[in-house]
Amino acid sequence: DGGITQSPKYLFRKEGQNVTLSCEQNLNHDAMYWYRQDPGQGLRLIYYSQIVNDFQKGDIAEGYSVSREKKESFPLTVTSAQKNPTAFYLCASSIALDRPSNQPQHFGDGTRLSIL
Amino acid sequence: AQSVAQPEDQVNVAEGNPLTVKCTYSVSGNPYLFWYVQYPNRGLQFLLKYITGDNLVKGSYGFEAEFNKSQTSFHLKKPSALVSDSALYFCAVRPFTSGTYKYIFGTGTRLKVLA
Repeated sequence: DGGITQSPKYLFRKEGQNVTLSCEQNLNHDAMYWYRQDPGQGLRLIYYSQIVNDFQKGDIAEGYSVSREKKESFPLTVTSAQKNPTAFYLCASSIALDRPSNQPQHFGDGTRLSIL
Repeated sequence: AQSVAQPEDQVNVAEGNPLTVKCTYSVSGNPYLFWYVQYPNRGLQFLLKYITGDNLVKGSYGFEAEFNKSQTSFHLKKPSALVSDSALYFCAVRPFTSGTYKYIFGTGTRLKVLA
């Protein structure tokens, strides 16, 4: 079955440490996204990518970095500059952003990041 | 600005009663509208989407949504709620903004179905 795989499910970060969250999709989607979800709250867009080797900042990009070297993969690095990284991180994918369509986004099952 | 609103943070309903979770939107052009459900520690799962011409859209797990163009609403409904329907529900739109068709999410509504 096609889908999105996020790993690890739980991750702990020490002070001053960078950590990388993995996101892989086999849906052949062009666009991929990273969202942050805080307890009881909605989704906030961190970064998104429309095609390989291209990505744009979302609403809360500070303290995060991404890469898109392959269509299937969109890893997110939470850097030491992100002072409040404790949250639930969701990766998603969809068809290309430059065409009208009623196709929904597909989501992974998330990574919960905590501070040690 | 193009947006989607979910005016209720939480909806409580008794098991077996009908439920409604509200969503209104403000977009230009034809709307692409979606509902998702999120269970604890899980990602968002797609429930249903608006299909042009159908004011009542049926989706997964017995859910349906009523599209009202004049009121710019896309309310999620279910005739008889189950305790297992308790979850966080998100409405989303996909408007054309700055050259792309981005997905914009509402803030979510927590549904609690009481036994």
